[in-house]
Amino acid sequence: EDKVVQSPLSLVVHEGDTVTLNCSYEVTNFRSLLWYKQEKKAPTFLFMLTSSGIEKKSGRLSSILDKKELFSILNITATQTGDSAIYLCAVSVQTQGAQKLVFGQGTRLTINP
Amino acid sequence: GAGVSQTPSNKVTEKGKYVELRCDPISGHTALYWYRQSLGQGPEFLIYFQGTGAADDSGLPNDRFFAVRPEGSVSTLKIQRTERGDSAVYLCASGEWGRGYTFGSGTRLTVV
Repeated sequence: EDKVVQSPLSLVVHEGDTVTLNCSYEVTNFRSLLWYKQEKKAPTFLFMLTSSGIEKKSGRLSSILDKKELFSILNITATQTGDSAIYLCAVSVQTQGAQKLVFGQGTRLTINP
Repeated sequence: GAGVSQTPSNKVTEKGKYVELRCDPISGHTALYWYRQSLGQGPEFLIYFQGTGAADDSGLPNDRFFAVRPEGSVSTLKIQRTERGDSAVYLCASGEWGRGYTFGSGTRLTVV
């Protein structure tokens, strides 16, 4: 059974801190790994990673994938209160001629002023 | 449209009733997904449409759940004889293969 595990499940830090969120996976037919930010109901897309060792960066957020060790990390530097959200990791897998996303449980990040 | 639209945003129904949840994807997106998210959990796959056909419905929990996409655009998720355990946020996403998917704001279903 395809599985995606995120850690920690919950994290509380002070504004300005740097955080690292972890995502490990065990799936068949891996296609890509995606990170989403969920503040209310709709997850919003952050990154899609397909190749090992190539960092993707967007402002204070960055992410990297290790396909040998089957994990990814999401880094947020100089955190702000607006970064408070649930961060979801998902792996796109190939099944029956289609692709679907298998999600982890999410990491609830709280940034205190 | 500019984004994925889901209606209603909230639905409260009595146990045993039938409900329909609607998803209007981004124009031109052929792939459409339904996910269910329970409190404190990540989204759980229900069904995937490529065009009008359900390419993968392996995530539907039982035969009370059914989804259609008759014209390859709007999709409706139908739940018969609702149970309290069906209470969750139902998310719809659309996209193109090889790109990130765009999610709608979801329908929060509460079965009382």
